[in-house]
Amino acid sequence: DAKTTQPPSMDCAEGRAANLPCNHSTISGNEYVYWYRQIHSQGPQYIIHGLKNNETNEMASLIITEDRKSSTLILPHATLRDTAVYYCIVRVIGNQFYFGTGTSLTVIP
Amino acid sequence: KAGVTQTPRYLIKTRGQQVTLSCSPISGHRSVSWYQQTPGQGLQFLFEYFSETQRNKGNFPGRFSGRQFSNSRSEMNVSTLELGDSALYLCASSERGDTDTQYFGPGTRLTVL
Repeated sequence: DAKTTQPPSMDCAEGRAANLPCNHSTISGNEYVYWYRQIHSQGPQYIIHGLKNNETNEMASLIITEDRKSSTLILPHATLRDTAVYYCIVRVIGNQFYFGTGTSLTVIP
Repeated sequence: KAGVTQTPRYLIKTRGQQVTLSCSPISGHRSVSWYQQTPGQGLQFLFEYFSETQRNKGNFPGRFSGRQFSNSRSEMNVSTLELGDSALYLCASSERGDTDTQYFGPGTRLTVL
């Protein structure tokens, strides 16, 4: 599975949109982009995933560039409860998930 | 649907002992994966079971083993515990269908003294 690169940490003001970037320049055509988050010492929580098209659900939006070499997770109105480590994972369906070090997002009041 | 459940939530053992952790997947999910999370190594994949068969395996010593039952519930066992086995052990289940999204349980916090 392709390797991902994420910034180690980010801050976001409460109520503003949080935009979390992820680079996956070696992604192949059959690899999906998944996003999970982990609040301290809890199990990771699934957020969203996509293949080529932009995706939106009740939690977030996923924007994938046309060349698929990078993506952005958008939390439209960040709250203090969104403070967590966010993991971007690229994988082929059926392979295991490899979690990198993720981005530690801090939402500031 | 109920989420993934793991028992026990907390466990304290001493070096040399063995431990068994249990995971009940979401109803209808046939795949169960196990992960170890430590501050130094992050989240590391241990193994995956599907329909009672191990499908994928991470790079862990043979002291770490698992199994899956016909009702998809899974157990993992760690024998001859070492101090370095202290970690949060996470279980995740999925349908193993087209999207194959994994849903995680709350984890079992194992402390080895």
